[in-house]
Amino acid sequence: DADVTQTPRNRITKTGKRIMLECSQTKGHDRMYWYRQDPGLGLRLIYYSFDVKDINKGEISDGYSVSRQAQAKFSLSLESAIPNQTALYFCATSDPSTSATGELFFGEGSRLTVL
Amino acid sequence: AQSVTQLGSHVSVSEGALVLLRCNYSSSVPPYLFWYVQYPNQGLQLLLKYTSAATLVKGINGFEAEFKKSETSFHLTKPSAHMSDAAEYFCAVSDNQAGTALIFGKGTTLSVSS
Repeated sequence: DADVTQTPRNRITKTGKRIMLECSQTKGHDRMYWYRQDPGLGLRLIYYSFDVKDINKGEISDGYSVSRQAQAKFSLSLESAIPNQTALYFCATSDPSTSATGELFFGEGSRLTVL
Repeated sequence: AQSVTQLGSHVSVSEGALVLLRCNYSSSVPPYLFWYVQYPNQGLQLLLKYTSAATLVKGINGFEAEFKKSETSFHLTKPSAHMSDAAEYFCAVSDNQAGTALIFGKGTTLSVSS
């Protein structure tokens, strides 16, 4: 089983719908992140959480919200999806003991299409 | 603010040729630098990282990168390309002192022809 699991892996939805992408990890890491990947734009940080009570906005948080339900779970929500939120979304984790180096461990991605 | 710039969104090489993927960084503090690889339909996998030890860093699959402070560069190289190296490569920088998340470049797609 993957250390960082994202569900769903693929989702097609309509404009205005609420969507939740879920991420769970078995690595025991405190730090979790959500990134968005668009062709030609690389990965951009949406939100990150350094522990259950700590949530921080990233570069492109508008239109998104997150919930850190437990150390192992970090969900990303789109309250009212719009077509320009069509993208590949990645969850990642990092280990506090090595987080000084910033190394991230990624899930396999959730491809979201908003029609 | 930190940033990385990857020169060339697409690089094409022949099998057996040298691979050179360019990355320049901007950072007001000593950076930690990374190269990640993304194979089709997969997540990102760490290739190698520079964390202020040796300036020449060796990674997986025969890749290496050299940190050059004077040039603010961290270019990725491999002496001989293999078909299996075809993927997208991302350079990333972190600000250790701020403890924030990685900042990624826009990526370079490597194509390898036979």
